[in-house]
Amino acid sequence: EIVMTLSPATLSVSPGARATLSCRASQSVSSSLAWYQQKPGQAPRLLIYGASTRATGIPARFSGSGSGTEFTLTISSLQSEDFAVYYCQQYHNWPLTFGGGTKVEIK
Amino acid sequence: QVQLVQSGAEVKKPGSSVKVSCKASGGSFGSYAIRWVRQAPGQGLEWMGGVIPIFGTANYAQKFQGRVTITADKSTSTAYMELRSLRSEDTAVYYCAKDRQLGMAPDAFDIWGQGTLVTVSS
Repeated sequence: EIVMTLSPATLSVSPGARATLSCRASQSVSSSLAWYQQKPGQAPRLLIYGASTRATGIPARFSGSGSGTEFTLTISSLQSEDFAVYYCQQYHNWPLTFGGGTKVEIK
Repeated sequence: QVQLVQSGAEVKKPGSSVKVSCKASGGSFGSYAIRWVRQAPGQGLEWMGGVIPIFGTANYAQKFQGRVTITADKSTSTAYMELRSLRSEDTAVYYCAKDRQLGMAPDAFDIWGQGTLVTVSS
């Protein structure tokens, strides 16, 4: 099983600032990496797939990068609606696995 | 645009079973895999398994093998997840989600159901 590790667990950021989240895989997942955003009481929402491709309707302030074992999600200028929990997921191999989540909170 | 609508919350006794449904509307149901993911209170996301309705074939996470059955009914565009021998640790929100692309390969999930809370308590 591929273990996904997200860091940091919590990120305190001021509105308008940049946020950088890191996701590490225990072995290479090539570019088969997705990022999701989840707000309280809601289902996750797909932000990024293929490590760097924005899903339909996702604002350009969200960007993803990386390949192999190291990945980054960057939110260039945090808006109020971006404060949420973020997960990465590998879909390179079965079983599909998620990172534990990074909570982005208001500083 | 496909929408996934799940059945309502359930309260179950330890040792019993639960069957959660996920009805698709607005798109081609049979061609895309439907996966099930659960989230215990305050915890992260855990993939359980999935099914491709046109083939009827399902695969499961090893953790749930023997205890979960995932099926699909093409005639009603509905997928089901049945979990047996419930224990308190199975208390969670259960989500169905659709693969982004056609095919059997693992994929990201672009559409999610609203979630179904299953509470296991004596």
